[in-house]
This record gives sequence, C-alpha cells and structure tokens, in this order.
Amino acid sequence: GDSVTQMEGPVTLSEEAFLTINCTYTATGYPSLFWYVQYPGEGLQLLLKATKADDKGSNKGFEATYRKETTSFHLEKGSVQVSDSAVYFCALSDSTGFQKLVFGTGTRLLVSP
Amino acid sequence: EAGVAQSPRYKIIEKRQSVAFWCNPISGHATLYWYQQILGQGPKLLIQFQNNGVVDDSQLPKDRFSAERLKGVDSTLKIQPAKLEDSAVYLCASSSQAYEQYFGPGTRLTVT
Repeated sequence: GDSVTQMEGPVTLSEEAFLTINCTYTATGYPSLFWYVQYPGEGLQLLLKATKADDKGSNKGFEATYRKETTSFHLEKGSVQVSDSAVYFCALSDSTGFQKLVFGTGTRLLVSP
Repeated sequence: EAGVAQSPRYKIIEKRQSVAFWCNPISGHATLYWYQQILGQGPKLLIQFQNNGVVDDSQLPKDRFSAERLKGVDSTLKIQPAKLEDSAVYLCASSSQAYEQYFGPGTRLTVT
C-alpha cells in the first residue's frame, strides 16, 4: 500500500539556519503531496501542497517540490524562526477515490534563539 | 469561519469501559474523517464519510469501534470496550473539495 517515510527527529537548529526535512513516498498512480504542521497544543494545519510532478508548493517561507523521479517531497526553509518550532508531517493523497491521507511519522523541529 | 469542533478535549477511562467522541465539521463540508494518532506516529485514517454514507472504514476495528454521522453533519466515534492500546489522540477533519482537509484540535484518550 501507499506509504510515506520522513527523517526522524528532533531536528535542532539555531534561528536563521537553513532547514531541510526529507520526505519520500511509495504510491501507485499519481498522488498529491502535502506538508502539515502541528504547533504545540494545536491541531494539524495544512502548510503547503503539490498536486503533480515538478509542482512547487510554498507558504510562510517554506517550500517543497514534487519530484516524481526520486519520489520525494523535501521541505525547506531558508531561515527558520523560533516560532517555526513544531511537528511537521509529510502526507500523500491518492488520485482516485476520496483522497484519503496517508501520513508519515512526523519530524519535530526545535529552533533556539 | 468556525473551524472543526471536537469534544471532549481530554478523556481518561479504564480498560473495558466505553467512550464516545463528538465532532462538528465546518459548515457545508460534505466529507468527514476520523483519524487515530498514537504517540510518536502520524495520524491513521479510521473512517471517512461522504455526507452520511461511509466511503472507507477499512482500518476501523469494527469489533470495538463504531461511528455514525447523523444527517450528514455531526459525527460520533465510539469505542466499546476500550483497550490499553486505544490510548491516542482522535482527530476529526472535514473537507468540501479535493485535497484540503481541515483538522479539529483532537481528543486525547488515555486508557488505564
């Protein structure tokens, strides 16, 4: 079945450092890809998405590019802030049926001043 | 626009007891989802409704879990009897179109 693999955390960075969180997927067909973020004490929020190969999703300074050849959707940000500290989940949704989401295990990001 | 509402936010029960969670989706959203998120793991879909019909319940442990969506709006998820391994956060989400699911704050269940 479909699956998502994320790098394990926590990822610990200093403010203004460059961030990469790796995500690879296994799926049949052509899934849509997502990054969700969960801030402490809050629910999951959609951060960005890409629905086809070579699409780049972006939001709040975060970016991720849908790479079909490497089945990857790595999350990047050029300069992280303390307020970016959260758990980040990579997910896919299949291209048929009712778009069930399959999540990775999540990566905790800790940003220190 | 009001978000997805869930209650209670926290629940502690003993094993073999029953428990129910409630979800009120965003107004007008036809699709409703229940996910289970065990500590250290990503959310796993338990059941998906389209209006008041079930479209996917393949990962719902039907011997102890049940869910309904009355009149295609609110939904309840029930566990009876609960086991220790049911300790998790139960997330409700809703959507009106493809790809964008909105999540509620979740209900944290502890089974002792």
